[in-house]
Amino acid sequence: GAGVSQTPSNKVTEKGKYVELRCDPISGHTALYWYRQSLGQGPEFLIYFQGTGAADDSGLPNDRFFAVRPEGSVSTLKIQRTERGDSAVYLCASSARRDQQEQYFGPGTRLTVT
Amino acid sequence: AQSVTQPDIHITVSEGASLELRCNYSYGATPYLFWYVQSPGQGLQLLLKYFSGDTLVQGIKGFEAEFKRSQSSFNLRKPSVHWSDAAEYFCAVGALYGNKLVFGAGTILRVKS
Repeated sequence: GAGVSQTPSNKVTEKGKYVELRCDPISGHTALYWYRQSLGQGPEFLIYFQGTGAADDSGLPNDRFFAVRPEGSVSTLKIQRTERGDSAVYLCASSARRDQQEQYFGPGTRLTVT
Repeated sequence: AQSVTQPDIHITVSEGASLELRCNYSYGATPYLFWYVQSPGQGLQLLLKYFSGDTLVQGIKGFEAEFKRSQSSFNLRKPSVHWSDAAEYFCAVGALYGNKLVFGAGTILRVKS
């Protein structure tokens, strides 16, 4: 079946602009995660959704970052007033159940802020 | 707080040689441990996982890992490396009913012919 998909695959934006990154999880997966991977680093947790609600947003670096999942499926990560330090690969993952912990990752969106 | 250390940033092995990638974790309860592989331009693919039971776990592509609680380690091994194994490998720790995985910084594997 289809895996996790993310769009766009690449996004270049100017400093100060607003961007939205989209994630389509595996059908039926109730848990959805966003991670950020900077160059030379492992992925770092941003936010976790169980269904429609953000159950844990402790990894969001500041209030410029926000994510939604209004119908419990597709999620959008929103970044306001982008900064050059936001440049990274943004990864989305989903899992079938909260207790399964087996997360399936999408290919990521590479965000470059110029 | 949870943390994962992968001491080797780069490892180079000859094709056909054995491989061991090191992973040490810090976690206050029973850890759930994972190894993922990431090829250039690709997403993370799960190689194997340890939740409980037998401490030697088998994964895909001929990989295995051994959980050693006394050493807080979960090293990844493969008896004979293939050129297609060249990639970056990440160890991660999570928890039952946890909200996230904590990843190490990764080990880049280079395979020389």
